[in-house]
Amino acid sequence: GNSVTQMEGPVTLSEEAFLTINCTYTATGYPSLFWYVQYPGEGLQLLLKATKADDKGSNKGFEATYRKETTSFHLEKGSVQVSDSAVYFCALSLLDTGRRALTFGSGTRLQVQP
Amino acid sequence: DGGITQSPKYLFRKEGQNVTLSCEQNLNHDAMYWYRQDPGQGLRLIYYSQIVNDFQKGDIAEGYSVSREKKESFPLTVTSAQKNPTAFYLCASRWGGGGNQPQHFGDGTRLSIL
Repeated sequence: GNSVTQMEGPVTLSEEAFLTINCTYTATGYPSLFWYVQYPGEGLQLLLKATKADDKGSNKGFEATYRKETTSFHLEKGSVQVSDSAVYFCALSLLDTGRRALTFGSGTRLQVQP
Repeated sequence: DGGITQSPKYLFRKEGQNVTLSCEQNLNHDAMYWYRQDPGQGLRLIYYSQIVNDFQKGDIAEGYSVSREKKESFPLTVTSAQKNPTAFYLCASRWGGGGNQPQHFGDGTRLSIL
């Protein structure tokens, strides 16, 4: 089956520190990969996506590269801010399944301290 | 502005009662989804619909029902058969065309038991 594994949180960093949140996946086909962010009490917002090997998604200073050889899609940011504190979800979607629903990781909570 | 509206934001259910969560989108998306989120966990798919008047069970459909009479609306009913309904419920929609389009999420409904 399909699955997504994320590093457990919480991840606690000081402002301006470098962020990495690891994400690896298992898929029966060739997935598209996504990072979503969830702020307290809200729904999920798309942060970035990548649809084929070696694609790099980027947005708001966050980046992730689709690595087919290691089945990974790690999220990085060079300098985090307090406002980045949220829960981050890695997810995959397969086009060859009729439903095209997302398979999510369990989420990683990021806490950034001033 | 286009988006997904979920209501109510908070909902309380008594024992033996059915409750309905509303989801409306004005994005002209074909596909709509319902997910359940439990604390510290990722999202799990309850039901999805690719077109009007058609819907399919997801991974945890037992105790839930849906309808899709209009393109913009996809209400979810939590029935009395769902013995553990306390969770955060998220509705999402997606353009049904080709490619790898992401899902867009509403702000969620938090359901609790009285």
